[in-house]
Amino acid sequence: AQSVSQHNHHVILSEAASLELGCNYSYGGTVNLFWYVQYPGQHLQLLLKYFSGDPLVKGIKGFEAEFIKSKFSFNLRKPSVQWSDTAEYFCAVELYGGSQGNLIFGKGTKLSVKP
Amino acid sequence: SQTIHQWPATLVQPVGSPLSLECTVEGTSNPNLYWYRQAAGRGLQLLFYSVGIGQISSEVPQNLSASRPQDRQFILSSKKLLLSDSGFYLCAWISGGNTEAFFGQGTRLTVV
Repeated sequence: AQSVSQHNHHVILSEAASLELGCNYSYGGTVNLFWYVQYPGQHLQLLLKYFSGDPLVKGIKGFEAEFIKSKFSFNLRKPSVQWSDTAEYFCAVELYGGSQGNLIFGKGTKLSVKP
Repeated sequence: SQTIHQWPATLVQPVGSPLSLECTVEGTSNPNLYWYRQAAGRGLQLLFYSVGIGQISSEVPQNLSASRPQDRQFILSSKKLLLSDSGFYLCAWISGGNTEAFFGQGTRLTVV
């Protein structure tokens, strides 16, 4: 069965540190890739997405992610985190041509940024 | 603009009682609607999705059911709740154009 793996359950960083959250998926076909973020007390919201083209995509708030097809990965990065980046981050994969836009989510990574 | 409403926000129910969570969408027609459960350490688990009225697909066998009585209404139900049904339930609408998902505020269900 298709799955999405996020390697870190909880990441703790100091402000200005660099961030990389791992995401791998298991599916041999074409995929659309997403990162969603849930700030404390708020809804899940889209951070960035990749459908095609340049494998390095930029999202809101200085986040970016790189799709490496050969590694089935879509890691999220930010050069310098801020306290306001404290949130839970979810990687999601849509199997292209699959079940009507069925998004498969990873288990999430909780990011805590110390001021 | 499109909005998604989900209620109630919190719910405490005894074991064996029924459940009904409602989700409605505004500003779009014929949306694809989804119910997810977010459990600690388990991420977002897809429970049901619906591509139209009366069309329900179940991803995980469980004590829950879903119904789509109207185009923009999606209901999650149970006849008899179990302790293991406790969790955070999210309704989502996924737009067909760019496949971005919009989530409701969620319902924190505690079965006691």
